Amino acid sequence: SAVISQKPSRDICQRGTSLTIQCQVDSQVTMMFWYRQQPGQSLTLIATANQGSEATYESGFVIDKFPISRPNLTFSTLTVSNMSPEDSSIYLCSVFGIYTEAFFGQGTRLTVV
Amino acid sequence: QQQVKQSPQSLIVQKGGISIINCAYENTAFDYFPWYQQFPGKGPALLIAIRPDVSEKKEGRFTISFNKSAKQFSLHIMDSQPGDSATYFCAASWDGNQFYFGTGTSLTVIP
Repeated sequence: SAVISQKPSRDICQRGTSLTIQCQVDSQVTMMFWYRQQPGQSLTLIATANQGSEATYESGFVIDKFPISRPNLTFSTLTVSNMSPEDSSIYLCSVFGIYTEAFFGQGTRLTVV
Repeated sequence: QQQVKQSPQSLIVQKGGISIINCAYENTAFDYFPWYQQFPGKGPALLIAIRPDVSEKKEGRFTISFNKSAKQFSLHIMDSQPGDSATYFCAASWDGNQFYFGTGTSLTVIP
């Protein structure tokens, strides 16, 4: 199984500011995924990040709001820009294992005040 | 449109009882059906998964039952324990593509 480290684990941010979440994987992976999990809700895919190309965003998510970097095969960042209280969620990084099972980081719990 | 529908939303079971969570899907292209367990403050962890070539898979106290014709699959937790109290998500995907998650079931096992 892949070991995924996310930083920070939680943060409280002022509205209008931005937060960058880091995701580090212990092995090289082609695709990395970013999910949002709103309180008491299911997981919603924000975007898929491939190394060396632009991230692919799902409907309802845009690059200006959630810019993603993927500088190498073990690391990615997700930035939540110009935050509002509606962005308060858990943000999760995920990768595929060798059998296409999904592994998740521990998540970043974001509260916007 | 919800690709994977999960029920119930919450479940309370006595210690030692059987917990059953159900999921249904529409897309017949799905070929991988995992269940995830999530504790508060943690990311989802893969619990058990099944592919449509088998009707049942068992790992310890956890069993997936799969009904391809009905497009349904379920998680059975035998001899439920208080430590099993968590949120459970079913999911579906195909050919290594995007995962679609159910809405989650909050399980509480009371002593």
